[in-house]
Amino acid sequence: DIQMTQSPSTLSASVGDRIIITCRASQSFSRWLAWYQQKPGKAPKLLISAASSLESGVPSRFSGAGSGAEFTLTITSLQPDDFATYYCQQYHGYPFTFGGGTKVEIK
Amino acid sequence: QVQLVQSGAEVKKPGSLVQVSCKAYGGNLKSYAFSWVRQAPGQGLEWMGRYIPTLNISVIAPKFQGRVTFTADESTNTAHMGLTGLRSDDTAVYFCASDPKTGTVGASDVWGQGTMVTVSS
Repeated sequence: DIQMTQSPSTLSASVGDRIIITCRASQSFSRWLAWYQQKPGKAPKLLISAASSLESGVPSRFSGAGSGAEFTLTITSLQPDDFATYYCQQYHGYPFTFGGGTKVEIK
Repeated sequence: QVQLVQSGAEVKKPGSLVQVSCKAYGGNLKSYAFSWVRQAPGQGLEWMGRYIPTLNISVIAPKFQGRVTFTADESTNTAHMGLTGLRSDDTAVYFCASDPKTGTVGASDVWGQGTMVTVSS
């Protein structure tokens, strides 16, 4: 199984900040990585697929990058609606696996 | 775009089984693959498996092998997940999620609202 390790687990930030969340894989793969946003009591929302492809309707302040074993999610100019928990997921090989999550909280 | 609506909350006894349903509106069931993901209270997301109705192929995470079954009913456009031998640590919200990549792997772009399953004696 491919293990996905996210860092940090918690991130305190202010509105307007630029933040970066990292996801490291236990083995390399090309680009089949997704990023999801989840708010309390809600289902996850797909933000980015194929490592860097922004889903329709997702603000351009979100971006994804990386390949191999390290991937990043960047949010430029953090907005109040962005305080949530973020998960990466590899879908390169079965079983698909999620990172442990990064909670972005208000500083 | 397809919308997924899941069945309601369940309370089950240890050792019993639960079935969670996921009805697709606005799209044909056979046009999608369905992943099932669960989330224990206060915990992260855990991928359980993926089912491709048009191919009747199930891929189940090793942890759930022998306990999980995925099916689909074309007549009601509904996907189902069955979990047997319930334990207290199966208490979680169970999500279905779809992607249109039935011939390859894909990220889940549409999610159901989640079904809370509580296992308690």
